[in-house]
Amino acid sequence: EPEVTQTPSHQVTQMGQEVILRCVPISNHLYFYWYRQILGQKVEFLVSFYNNEISEKSEIFDDQFSVERPDGSNFTLKIRSTKLEDSAMYFCASTLRGRADNQPQHFGDGTRLSIL
Amino acid sequence: AQKVTQAQTEISVVEKEDVTLDCVYETRDTTYYLFWYKQPPSGELVFLIRRNSFDEQNEISGRYSWNFQKSTSSFNFTITASQVVDSAVYFCALRVVFGNEKLTFGTGTRLTIIP
Repeated sequence: EPEVTQTPSHQVTQMGQEVILRCVPISNHLYFYWYRQILGQKVEFLVSFYNNEISEKSEIFDDQFSVERPDGSNFTLKIRSTKLEDSAMYFCASTLRGRADNQPQHFGDGTRLSIL
Repeated sequence: AQKVTQAQTEISVVEKEDVTLDCVYETRDTTYYLFWYKQPPSGELVFLIRRNSFDEQNEISGRYSWNFQKSTSSFNFTITASQVVDSAVYFCALRVVFGNEKLTFGTGTRLTIIP
């Protein structure tokens, strides 16, 4: 069964450094998402992306965050200057169709980001 | 705005017992989707089931069953004859059809099955 793959599985970064989290969505999917989960807490929506632009973002997704689909397969989340509170598990998800469609979002295994 | 409440933070049951995980949601939208995801200790999010707001049929899949009641805004999940492999955190989630695409998750219920 096709999967969403995320790399790396664990990223350790010094506070203030830039970090890029990578995702390869399922190949024929068109809608891409990033979520984060602070340890022991619920999963929170960050951003959705379709047709090479952001379609929705949460208040968490401030100017320190950006997303990009640099080629036909990768979908990246960049945090420009990391803070301690950015430490979390980051999940990428994709779905074939968005909005008025009941298809589930398929999640990757996540990248655990640790900011020192 | 949407909200999902999972009032049970942690549940422990002995293996082979049945267990029900509660989920209550809030939305002003009349058309929406509900989901359950499982997060095992390894951390990934595994999709279990989706339900459309206009389809109140309950569903059974093996040992899993789901009870959707629109009148009480609840979408409860029952595991019968629980097994140790069922130990995980279970999240209920909501997505409205029109207006946005995000999944709104509950805070999760940590289920521990005691052998």
